[in-house]
Amino acid sequence: GEDVEQSLFLSVREGDSSVINCTYTDSSSTYLYWYKQEPGAGLQLLTYIFSNMDMKQDQRLTVLLNKKDKHLSLRIADTQTGDSAIYFCAESISLYGQNFVFGPGTRLSVLP
Amino acid sequence: GAVVSQHPSWVICKSGTSVKIECRSLDFQATTMFWYRQFPKQSLMLMATSNEGSKATYEQGVEKDKFLINHASLTLSTLTVTSAHPEDSSFYICSARDLAHTRYEQFFGPGTRLTVL
Repeated sequence: GEDVEQSLFLSVREGDSSVINCTYTDSSSTYLYWYKQEPGAGLQLLTYIFSNMDMKQDQRLTVLLNKKDKHLSLRIADTQTGDSAIYFCAESISLYGQNFVFGPGTRLSVLP
Repeated sequence: GAVVSQHPSWVICKSGTSVKIECRSLDFQATTMFWYRQFPKQSLMLMATSNEGSKATYEQGVEKDKFLINHASLTLSTLTVTSAHPEDSSFYICSARDLAHTRYEQFFGPGTRLTVL
């Protein structure tokens, strides 16, 4: 079945860049997503990328997709304390966005 | 943006009782809603897909008689945990897909924390 993996923890200093990595197994993934979850809250969609794209930039966020290696990354520039949260990588196999498969989440800690 | 609410945000109940969790799409119509559960420090696991007016589709290993899902309208889906036990304690999150919005996005509710004593 589909599997999505992420490193579980990442610590960075305020102002530095954070890079969160994700690998997935299903080559037929159509959409790949990054979600942010703050403590006790639901998930907030940060950004997404279609499988036919290599890169997407949205303000401080840059998503890189290496389809050959099935590797997705999220770079947060100028990381702030408010960026501390759990970041989930997710893939959607279906064209219509059903049945997301989530990674385990990466807990980002931003140190002052 | 599209907003999904859940009620209650947290609930504590005794073992053996049933608990109902509501998921509402506030400003859009959702033909499909999804129910997830999340154990502490773990990822979300899809429990079931709920389509308005039809029976829910459950993921393998999820007991449909224990987790009753009703999607009676385009803005409301409910999850009832029947005869709850301590192992059912978890964070339950719903999401909804907007008919009029782009197909690839699901909007997530804030979650309901269930604690069964």
